[in-house]
Amino acid sequence: GEDVEQSLFLSVREGDSSVINCTYTDSSSTYLYWYKQEPGAGLQLLTYIFSNMDMKQDQRLTVLLNKKDKHLSLRIADTQTGDSAIYFCAESDDKIIFGKGTRLHILP
Amino acid sequence: DVKVTQSSRYLVKRTGEKVFLECVQDMDHENMFWYRQDPGLGLRLIYFSYDVKMKEKGDIPEGYSVSREKKERFSLILESASTNQTSMYLCASSFRGGYGYTFGSGTRLTVV
Repeated sequence: GEDVEQSLFLSVREGDSSVINCTYTDSSSTYLYWYKQEPGAGLQLLTYIFSNMDMKQDQRLTVLLNKKDKHLSLRIADTQTGDSAIYFCAESDDKIIFGKGTRLHILP
Repeated sequence: DVKVTQSSRYLVKRTGEKVFLECVQDMDHENMFWYRQDPGLGLRLIYFSYDVKMKEKGDIPEGYSVSREKKERFSLILESASTNQTSMYLCASSFRGGYGYTFGSGTRLTVV
């Protein structure tokens, strides 16, 4: 069945770049998403990429898509304490499938 | 500002009670979803709806039912709450093609 895999935890020093990786299995995915969840809150859409794109940049965020390897990554430049959250990768065609989330921990 | 609103942020209910969780969206989305989120298990889909009066089972529908009488409102019903239904419940909506998933802030339900 369809599946989205991502590592559960990432620790990064403040000011460094964070790279969160994700792999998915459904080659017919139309959209791929990154969501951010802060403690006690719902999921907030950070960015998305169409499956026919390789890269998307939005201020400090860069999304890279390798469709051949079914690999998606999110790079956060100049990581700040406010970036501390759980980041969910997701893919959708008609229904959306989520990974289990990567908890990003910021070291001072 | 477009929004998905869940009626309660925190809820405490007793075992055996009937519980209603309400979700309203103002984006004219066709699709609406209910998820539960538990530590280490990620987001699990309970039920979803592609249209008014339509409902489809997700991955974990047991112990739950849903109602969608109007396009903007999707209700999750726990017929007889049990302690293993203590969880964070998240509502979401999207356009029919799967674009624009938007989530509510969540309801943290505790069943005692």
